[in-house]
Amino acid sequence: AQKVTQAQTEISVVEKEDVTLDCVYETRDTTYYLFWYKQPPSGELVFLIRRNSFDEQNEISGRYSWNFQKSTSSFNFTITASQVVDSAVYFCALRVGGSYIPTFGRGTSLIVHP
Amino acid sequence: DAGVTQSPTHLIKTRGQQVTLRCSPKSGHDTVSWYQQALGQGPQFIFQYYEEEERQRGNFPDRFSGHQFPNYSSELNVNALLLGDSALYLCASSFNRVGSETQYFGPGTRLLVL
Repeated sequence: AQKVTQAQTEISVVEKEDVTLDCVYETRDTTYYLFWYKQPPSGELVFLIRRNSFDEQNEISGRYSWNFQKSTSSFNFTITASQVVDSAVYFCALRVGGSYIPTFGRGTSLIVHP
Repeated sequence: DAGVTQSPTHLIKTRGQQVTLRCSPKSGHDTVSWYQQALGQGPQFIFQYYEEEERQRGNFPDRFSGHQFPNYSSELNVNALLLGDSALYLCASSFNRVGSETQYFGPGTRLLVL
């Protein structure tokens, strides 16, 4: 069975601070895909990134960066110089190869204060 | 490029009633998945439709059923509504090709069962 743990329920920061959202996953499959989604108050999940298990390269996209470490089964997400518009719930998800069912974590609520 | 659309945006029903939710996938996508998201939780996979058939199903009772039409749009039906069915129902679409299975979500339908 697959499991995704987002231990941080809520994080509160002041604008311009850097913040890291943790994601730890469990699976016995060697082929799997990891995702991060952002859910603003409107409700729609916005796709941020997908990473497959064979690609451990870290990625940077503007103020966003992701650190994938298979050795610790973690796929952490860092926002640099946070902004109020980053306030949302962020979900990490895992899908194993051969399955169409992603497993989502419970989400981390990020609140960025001006 | 139209994204995933869902209707209605909000719905109020009473216990025992039946409800139908609708989803139009993103242009070019042929696969539709449905999720239930209770307050404060991550999305839970209900089922996925491809080629007008249910391809995989999550741990939901038979009261939850669906349909996919030739134009790839989809409906989610829930019979004999329970109070616990109150949630945000999300539709996600994707393209059925290896490497392109990333799901893009719609804004959701908020269902309240009284």
